[in-house]
Amino acid sequence: SQQGEEDPQALSIQEGENATMNCSYKTSINNLQWYRQNSGRGLVHLILIRSNEREKHSGRLRVTLDTSKKSSSLLITASRAADTASYFCATGINGQNFVFGPGTRLSVLP
Amino acid sequence: NAGVTQTPKFQVLKTGQSMTLQCAQDMNHEYMSWYRQDPGMGLRLIHYSVGAGITDQGEVPNGYNVSRSTTEDFPLRLLSAAPSQTSVYFCASGLSPYNEQFFGPGTRLTVL
Repeated sequence: SQQGEEDPQALSIQEGENATMNCSYKTSINNLQWYRQNSGRGLVHLILIRSNEREKHSGRLRVTLDTSKKSSSLLITASRAADTASYFCATGINGQNFVFGPGTRLSVLP
Repeated sequence: NAGVTQTPKFQVLKTGQSMTLQCAQDMNHEYMSWYRQDPGMGLRLIHYSVGAGITDQGEVPNGYNVSRSTTEDFPLRLLSAAPSQTSVYFCASGLSPYNEQFFGPGTRLTVL
């Protein structure tokens, strides 16, 4: 079964609005990562947050991590049409493998 | 650096044929992995390797073999292709499962 589960499965917003995606996971983690995938392309790493961090920023991205709830959120502020993509959270498990959730499909409408 | 490269980009096979998807990285990463992605879905882990000579199964290993004779290369072999293996295959590498993963551009495979 998937280690990470993103929510919602799909999200449609207007350009300029903020987009929030959530991720829940099941086991203890070392860190949690967020990736973006544009249609038909490989995944691109966005941000990594360690288990001892609660919040991290990178440009228009803000990630939070709540290890007590086993959840993370990705906030994209002032969204642009170019942010249209699928977003995945991922975690390493037991130092042996790396598992992705099913993703959130974000559509930013002009 | 070329990063992670995959060949071929597209492939059409007939049921029962075998083939090897190639993956190479030039970043001296110990950890490499193969995923498949079906339409509208996330990535599912097929096999992974934590270093040369060491491989292990992921979530969906049936019908696939891997080997890791060098740090750079991690080929994925389809033993006897089935229509259910029609998918996009991604190879990735990283320093470890806990580090940023770098993805190849993918191989789009169709099995008729």
